[in-house]
Amino acid sequence: EAGVTQFPSHSVIEKGQTVTLRCDPISGHDNLYWYRRVMGKEIKFLLHFVKESKQDESGMPNNRFLAERTGGTYSTLKVQPAELEDSGVYFCASSQAIPPSGANVLTFGAGSRLTVL
Amino acid sequence: AQSVTQPDIHITVSEGASLELRCNYSYGATPYLFWYVQSPGQGLQLLLKYFSGDTLVQGIKGFEAEFKRSQSSFNLRKPSVHWSDAAEYFCAVARWKDSSYKLIFGSGTRLLVRP
Repeated sequence: EAGVTQFPSHSVIEKGQTVTLRCDPISGHDNLYWYRRVMGKEIKFLLHFVKESKQDESGMPNNRFLAERTGGTYSTLKVQPAELEDSGVYFCASSQAIPPSGANVLTFGAGSRLTVL
Repeated sequence: AQSVTQPDIHITVSEGASLELRCNYSYGATPYLFWYVQSPGQGLQLLLKYFSGDTLVQGIKGFEAEFKRSQSSFNLRKPSVHWSDAAEYFCAVARWKDSSYKLIFGSGTRLLVRP
């Protein structure tokens, strides 16, 4: 079974430019998540998709960030325009349906490292 | 609010020595707890999880963790560390509400293994 795949693995851009990160979840996983780790800090939740719908986007830092999941398959996370503080590692994860108990295991991708100069 | 504390930013152990990484959580109900590891250049890999039942859980790569409700802890242990265990380790607690599901992570502990 293929895992969660993220592109690009590393992106270096100038402040003010646009970057789009892509995530391909495990096939059949309805739930897709984006997390971010800014330099040396904890990994923080950004948002949660169920199929193509945004279930929870409470962690999105501001309106410069736009996440989409067309057709409930892959997802993109666009940062426009990028600022210095956006630098970090962006992780994508996916999981199967969440049972009522909440026992749920997320499978993470390798992450996309973003450097904004 | 839920939170996870990993008090040790860095830990150095000698190869073959035992290891314990600390994790304390704050959560109102029965927590669902996880340990993930990130090796250099790799993604986050699940080591083990606690959902219910036996409070001592076994994971991959010879790791285990013990859930102690009275201490709000979920410490990760390994009896004999290998050089390949050098990585960053993250403890996390699950939070779900109204079909929204997220993991709350600690800030991580970087493990260095001395030859």
